[in-house]
Amino acid sequence: GQQVMQIPQYQHVQEGEDFTTYCNSSTTLSNIQWYKQRPGGHPVFLIQLVKSGEVKKQKRLTFQFGEAKKNSSLHITATQTTDVGTYFCAGGQGGKLIFGQGTELSVKP
Amino acid sequence: DAGVTQSPTHLIKTRGQHVTLRCSPISGHKSVSWYQQVLGQGPQFIFQYYEKEERGRGNFPDRFSARQFPNYSSELNVNALLLGDSALYLCASSLVTGGFQPQHFGDGTRLSIL
Repeated sequence: GQQVMQIPQYQHVQEGEDFTTYCNSSTTLSNIQWYKQRPGGHPVFLIQLVKSGEVKKQKRLTFQFGEAKKNSSLHITATQTTDVGTYFCAGGQGGKLIFGQGTELSVKP
Repeated sequence: DAGVTQSPTHLIKTRGQHVTLRCSPISGHKSVSWYQQVLGQGPQFIFQYYEKEERGRGNFPDRFSARQFPNYSSELNVNALLLGDSALYLCASSLVTGGFQPQHFGDGTRLSIL
């Protein structure tokens, strides 16, 4: 079936280090969305990528959509303690959003 | 403006019972989707409703059903509860239907099955 795989499952970094999470789909995606879920909270929409090879930036966050529209990445430069949470990618397939398993980021001050 | 509201916030049920979860979307949003999130996993799509019609269904058994009302609020019903139904149930609203729409999530209903 349709699957969106995300790695790594966990990432522990020292504050100031960079962080990257990767998302891969077995099928071509119409779009990719990224969400952040703080501990005990709900997913919050961060960004959407639609075009092949698209790159978008939000301050220290850089999002990429692969040329084949089957993979995506989120890179955070110089992490801060406020970046703590689980980051999910979600691929648009057939009008539905298929979420990855998420990458849980912890930041040590 | 109020965000997506869900009720109840927590619920404890026993196996075999049924449950109804409720969701009110953001004002102006006409599409409501339901997701199941098991601890440590990403949200899994259950249903999407738009203009009171089912527009999408995930890989869940027929014990799961939903509906949307004229005011765009929605209910998720689960019958014959199993232990494996224990999860956080999230409702999300969007302006219109389709996988291109950012989902605005509520805080969820945490359902525990004993």
